[in-house]
Amino acid sequence: EDQVTQSPEALRLQEGESSSLNCSYTVSGLRGLFWYRQDPGKGPEFLFTLYSAGEEKEKERLKATLTKKESFLHITAPKPEDSATYLCAVQGNSWGKLQFGAGTQVVVTP
Amino acid sequence: EAGVVQSPRYKIIEKKQPVAFWCNPISGHNTLYWYLQNLGQGPELLIRYENEEAVDDSQLPKDRFSAERLKGVDSTLKIQPAELGDSAVYLCASSLEATDTQYFGPGTRLTVL
Repeated sequence: EDQVTQSPEALRLQEGESSSLNCSYTVSGLRGLFWYRQDPGKGPEFLFTLYSAGEEKEKERLKATLTKKESFLHITAPKPEDSATYLCAVQGNSWGKLQFGAGTQVVVTP
Repeated sequence: EAGVVQSPRYKIIEKKQPVAFWCNPISGHNTLYWYLQNLGQGPELLIRYENEEAVDDSQLPKDRFSAERLKGVDSTLKIQPAELGDSAVYLCASSLEATDTQYFGPGTRLTVL
């Protein structure tokens, strides 16, 4: 069974203080690893898809990386608007089925 | 381009009452998903449709939950009767095909009293 574990559960950062979120996974045949951002009262918003170990993707202050066992979401010089819950999900042999982690709640204070 | 639309956004009902949620996916998206999200947890897949066909409903509690996607566009998820433990956010998502990125709607927050 596919499993995803995210750490830490919560992260409080000062504005400009860079940090990383971890997503550890076990999956039968990784077809893709996804990062989503979720604001309170809203649905998850797609950020990145990573397909193979060594792959990296960037968007503004966010950079996602992938190894064979985990993915990292690096937040560089965060701003208060980066405050959200970040969700990691994997897609294994079952097309269309995403297995999500519980998320990391990030709060960035001015 | 309009995103995934869901209604209602909030619903409060008494236990044992029926409730229904509606979803309109992104135009042209053949695959539609219903997820359940409990507080502090990630979404969990309930059912996946490819066009009109439910191709994965293994996680749907079929004794009280039902879903339909008539004409392969809009979808409705129903609970009858609702139980206290059904209180959660129900998310709808869609993708071009099952191999593509899933885009989520805003969800319906259900409270069962």
